[in-house]
Amino acid sequence: EAGVVQSPRYKIIEKKQPVAFWCNPISGHNTLYWYLQNLGQGPELLIRYENEEAVDDSQLPKDRFSAERLKGVDSTLKIQPAELGDSAVYLCASSLTGGNNEQFFGPGTRLTVL
Amino acid sequence: GQSLEQPSEVTAVEGAIVQINCTYQTSGFYGLSWYQQHDGGAPTFLSYNALDGLEETGRFSSFLSRSDSYGYLLLQELQMKDSASYFCAVRDRGGGFKTIFGAGTRLFVKA
Repeated sequence: EAGVVQSPRYKIIEKKQPVAFWCNPISGHNTLYWYLQNLGQGPELLIRYENEEAVDDSQLPKDRFSAERLKGVDSTLKIQPAELGDSAVYLCASSLTGGNNEQFFGPGTRLTVL
Repeated sequence: GQSLEQPSEVTAVEGAIVQINCTYQTSGFYGLSWYQQHDGGAPTFLSYNALDGLEETGRFSSFLSRSDSYGYLLLQELQMKDSASYFCAVRDRGGGFKTIFGAGTRLFVKA
């Protein structure tokens, strides 16, 4: 079974530029999460989808961040414009609804904003 | 609001037993998970406790006391490959069952 796929793995951009990250969750997982992880910290939730509906986007900085999950499968997270403080690892995870909420994480995208 | 506390670092010797504690404050506690993350890698699920008591999975065990808002991860027969960061994560009924991660405990296993 394929795991969560993310691309790109690394991205270096200059501040004020746009950037987009893509995630393909595990087949059949209807819940998809985008997390931000700074060095030495735990993942911080940005947005959670149940199928194509964003059920929790309270921590998403909506002035510059946007996300979509068309057709309830893969998802894109966008930042426009990027700021220096956005440098971090962006993790995507997926899970089945209910049960023990085991989340399967992708390898992440390491973003560096110069 | 919600908060989790866990030690920032723990060091132990190969073959030993180590316990990583996690205390939490949340208004709608539903369950406690543990994840392992190696440097440069993705977090991977280790265990989940929704009820009080001990859950054992091989060398790893996880304990929960809901009345004390406390849990721990127990790692036995430590191996060098267990050197990693370990995160406790609370599942909270607020926000439609939001998951909040702690800052992580970095475990160093010495030979």
